Amino acid sequence: GAGVSQTPSNKVTEKGKYVELRCDPISGHTALYWYRQSLGQGPEFLIYFQGTGAADDSGLPNDRFFAVRPEGSVSTLKIQRTERGDSAMYLCASSPLVSSEQYFGPGTRLTVT
Amino acid sequence: EDQVTQSPEALRLQEGESSSLNCSYTVSGLRGLFWYRQDPGKGPEFLFTLYSAGEEKEKERLKATLTKKESFLHITAPKPEDSATYLCAVIVSGNQFYFGTGTSLTVIP
Repeated sequence: GAGVSQTPSNKVTEKGKYVELRCDPISGHTALYWYRQSLGQGPEFLIYFQGTGAADDSGLPNDRFFAVRPEGSVSTLKIQRTERGDSAMYLCASSPLVSSEQYFGPGTRLTVT
Repeated sequence: EDQVTQSPEALRLQEGESSSLNCSYTVSGLRGLFWYRQDPGKGPEFLFTLYSAGEEKEKERLKATLTKKESFLHITAPKPEDSATYLCAVIVSGNQFYFGTGTSLTVIP
């Protein structure tokens, strides 16, 4: 079956621009997580959704970051006024239940120049 | 503060040389511990879930165990294709996942 997909796979943008990263979870999975991973580090929690609502957004670093999941399936992570420090791999994961194992997408490599 | 620590940071093994990776955690309200494998440039791949001390899970050359303070991932007779970064993660009472920084495993033919 289809796994988690993320688009684009790579995104290069200039400092100050706006970007959107998309995640298509596994069909039927109610929980969706976003993570950020820097080289040599483990994934860092950003936000998770249970259905359509953001159940916990405490990992978002500041108000330039925002995520939505309007119909309880596809999610978009939005970053305004990008900074060079935002450069990282952004990972999305879905799971059938909030507390169960997560299935990750291939990630979006964001580079801010 | 909830914390997950993995050791060693890097491990080089000869093919067939068994070893163990460690994941120690200091968290409140542990609900589960997960092991993932991550290849360069890819997302983590789920391996195991452990929920209670004393629990063990096996898959091919890998075996995961859990105590009240740590988990081990035992690799028996590894092959070069087992080379990857192995990540440990815990889920706590608030449904947040905390990941360790991983152990980078290299198996030399």
